[in-house]
Amino acid sequence: AQSVTQLDSQVPVFEEAPVELRCNYSSSVSVYLFWYVQYPNQGLQLLLKYLSGSTLVKGINGFEAEFNKSQTSFHLRKPSVHISDTAEYFCAVNPSGGSNYKLTFGKGTLLTVNP
Amino acid sequence: DADVTQTPRNRITKTGKRIMLECSQTKGHDRMYWYRQDPGLGLRLIYYSFDVKDINKGEISDGYSVSRQAQAKFSLSLESAIPNQTALYFCATSDWDSNYGYTFGSGTRLTVV
Repeated sequence: AQSVTQLDSQVPVFEEAPVELRCNYSSSVSVYLFWYVQYPNQGLQLLLKYLSGSTLVKGINGFEAEFNKSQTSFHLRKPSVHISDTAEYFCAVNPSGGSNYKLTFGKGTLLTVNP
Repeated sequence: DADVTQTPRNRITKTGKRIMLECSQTKGHDRMYWYRQDPGLGLRLIYYSFDVKDINKGEISDGYSVSRQAQAKFSLSLESAIPNQTALYFCATSDWDSNYGYTFGSGTRLTVV
């Protein structure tokens, strides 16, 4: 089984500051990793994903994440945030390969960007 | 039209009532899922279906049932609603190829009073 730990439940930052949202996972097999974003009163939207290859993954809206296999981490970063980035962010994991595809989600990190 | 449509968007119901949440998709995906979101708990899987004849329990299936009426339709039922089923419910779909992740509906906010 897999599990995901998002280390911060809330992250307040000021506009134009950099931000890092932390995600650690546990799995006995290789995994695919995802970050989803949920804007207020909306469903979840895929932000970026790591499947294989380069450990630095770029996503939408200027976000990027780095896969670190030795530390079993997949932290999300943005060098300069905007008010519109205020949302809840979810890290998720799924075993790579096979056909038993169902995501396991972390508990979420609420990012609040203040002016 | 949205790729994944959930109805209703909001619902208030009384304890003990039966209620059905519906999900339909135009993605052509075989796989459909129902998740429940609670503050501070993230998303937890209730049921999932990999095709019309395949239904599986997730981690929190007690008190819920599902029906996969067609490839495009997957309904979630609460046979006898209770207050701790008050939550935001999401339907999601995926292709057999896990590379693409999920497509989510906009959610149904259910309140049981």
